[in-house]
Amino acid sequence: DIVMTQSPDSLAVSLGERATINCKSSQSILSSSNNKNYLGWYQQKPGQPPKPIVDWASTRASGVPDRFSGSGSGTDFTLTISSLQAEDVAIYFCQQYYSAPLTFGQGTKVEIK
Amino acid sequence: QVQLQESGPGLVKPSETLSLTCTVSGASISSRYSSWIRQSPGKGREWMGYIHYSGTTNYNPSLKSRVTISMDTSKNQFSLNLSSVTAADTAVYYCATGVGFRIEYWGLGTLVTVSS
Repeated sequence: DIVMTQSPDSLAVSLGERATINCKSSQSILSSSNNKNYLGWYQQKPGQPPKPIVDWASTRASGVPDRFSGSGSGTDFTLTISSLQAEDVAIYFCQQYYSAPLTFGQGTKVEIK
Repeated sequence: QVQLQESGPGLVKPSETLSLTCTVSGASISSRYSSWIRQSPGKGREWMGYIHYSGTTNYNPSLKSRVTISMDTSKNQFSLNLSSVTAADTAVYYCATGVGFRIEYWGLGTLVTVSS
């Protein structure tokens, strides 16, 4: 199984400041056939289902504000919120969809400092 | 707007079978991969398996002998059966659907407690 390790477990950032979340896979999730990284980022707010915010490691999902960005390749990935807003308070987690069994990072709780 | 709703008993006795159904609205489960995912208290999310509209299934080896996923395209529903449950199967169970392994939509989740 591909193990996904996220850091940090929680993060408190001032409004307007940058938040950075890391996700590391135990093996490469970059496909040599299409040069795509099979990694997604999700946002989960209390009482709501998880919502995809980034696909293929760096493609923002439809309707997601451009303050969210994903980067990285191979085994190391980052989700950045460039200017934290109050509505961004949530748990963020990564998921690899390179191979079954699908696996998830443990989640990062983002709060306002 | 795509919505998924899990339904089923919130309490299951040890050694019995946990059964949940996911009803999908706003999108057809045909041509999609439909998964079950669970999160135990204090633990991470665990993908349990998926069913493809063709009927193909793929289960997490950690659960393979106990889990069955089925679908009813006429009702736009898919279901989970997990046999021989123990307290370790107490979790929030989510249904989800997407293209390939990439999950696009999740249900809100339903808490299932295993207890006598």
